[in-house]
Amino acid sequence: EAGVAQSPRYKIIEKRQSVAFWCNPISGHATLYWYQQILGQGPKLLIQFQNNGVVDDSQLPKDRFSAERLKGVDSTLKIQPAKLEDSAVYLCASSLDSSDTQYFGPGTRLTVL
Amino acid sequence: AQSVSQHNHHVILSEAASLELGCNYSYGGTVNLFWYVQYPGQHLQLLLKYFSGDPLVKGIKGFEAEFIKSKFSFNLRKPSVQWSDTAEYFCAVNLYGGATNKLIFGTGTLLAVQP
Repeated sequence: EAGVAQSPRYKIIEKRQSVAFWCNPISGHATLYWYQQILGQGPKLLIQFQNNGVVDDSQLPKDRFSAERLKGVDSTLKIQPAKLEDSAVYLCASSLDSSDTQYFGPGTRLTVL
Repeated sequence: AQSVSQHNHHVILSEAASLELGCNYSYGGTVNLFWYVQYPGQHLQLLLKYFSGDPLVKGIKGFEAEFIKSKFSFNLRKPSVQWSDTAEYFCAVNLYGGATNKLIFGTGTLLAVQP
């Protein structure tokens, strides 16, 4: 079974630039999550989708971060404009439904200079 | 607010030594509990989980964890570690039957096993 796919794996940008990350969840998984993992910390949930609807985006900095899952499968996470403190690994995870075990992708390591 | 504490940030052991990593959470309701592991260069993988039933949970690669409700703890154990257990270990919780499936993670414990 293919796992959660993410791209790119690494991204370096300058502050105030924009960046987008892509995630393809495990086939058939209705629930998709984006987490932010800052160095030395555990992952923190940014947003949770159930199919193409948002379940929880309470910790998403909505002035600069946006995410969508238009067809209920793939998802993109965008940052515009980026700040230095956005340097982190962005993890995508998926689960069969909203109460099931989450499976994580390899992450995208973002460096903002 | 819910939180998860992992007591040890770095642990160094020799092969065959026993391992116990502490995890405590703060939440008064019913929770699901998880240990995830991240091997060097790999993504987060589920090691074991507790939803209900027997509080002693067995996971992959000889790991086990015990849920002690009265102590709000879910410590991870392995009787004899191997060099291949070198990794970062994360404890996580979420609300049982909650509206979301949000995982609250601890800060992680970096385990180095010396051959």
